[in-house]
Amino acid sequence: GQNIDQPTEMTATEGAIVQINCTYQTSGFNGLFWYQQHAGEAPTFLSYNVLDGLEEKGRFSSFLSRSKGYSYLLLKELQMKDSASYLCAVSVNYGQNFVFGPGTRLSVLP
Amino acid sequence: ETGVTQTPRHLVMGMTNKKSLKCEQHLGHNAMYWYKQSAKKPLELMFVYSLEERVENNSVPSRFSPECPNSSHLFLHLHTLQPEDSALYLCASSVKFLPGLAGGGEQFFGPGTRLTVL
Repeated sequence: GQNIDQPTEMTATEGAIVQINCTYQTSGFNGLFWYQQHAGEAPTFLSYNVLDGLEEKGRFSSFLSRSKGYSYLLLKELQMKDSASYLCAVSVNYGQNFVFGPGTRLSVLP
Repeated sequence: ETGVTQTPRHLVMGMTNKKSLKCEQHLGHNAMYWYKQSAKKPLELMFVYSLEERVENNSVPSRFSPECPNSSHLFLHLHTLQPEDSALYLCASSVKFLPGLAGGGEQFFGPGTRLTVL
């Protein structure tokens, strides 16, 4: 079976740093994606990890450990506009299937 | 604007109706996807078309029928739906996934069709 876990909700303060964790158990692994989804809008791509380690992109970084089935998304210098759901997704079977986690709803408070 | 458009944006239909959802991508991608997003459930992949080859998803009821006439257009034909099929239906496109591809074939999503089945 395929399973991805993420915390349901998180709250953080403007200007702070927040780490959103994702654990996965999937039959196969071809990479892990993070997407951001604002309420009422479509998901937008944030990052992709296929090798172990950290990928940095401005205020956002994503980390992957394949042996542990674990990833995290790190958001620095939080802004109010970062309030959104963050979706972790794993590609399996060479792009023929994408398994999404339940998403983490992040609220950034002033 | 992500380069992926969907029509209609909202649809209300009875259980005996037949309707179709349309998706069009202007990004030159060669893979397209239909997803279902229900409240409090993970995004669920329904169908994948890659280089116009369809990937089956056995968990999708036959009342949903996809069609991909070319690499830019994707349809989802609906018939005799149930109230539990009410959800947001998202279309996405990408470059076909290849191991080692930079960006992993990130998907670009359309705005979705909000479907209500009465």
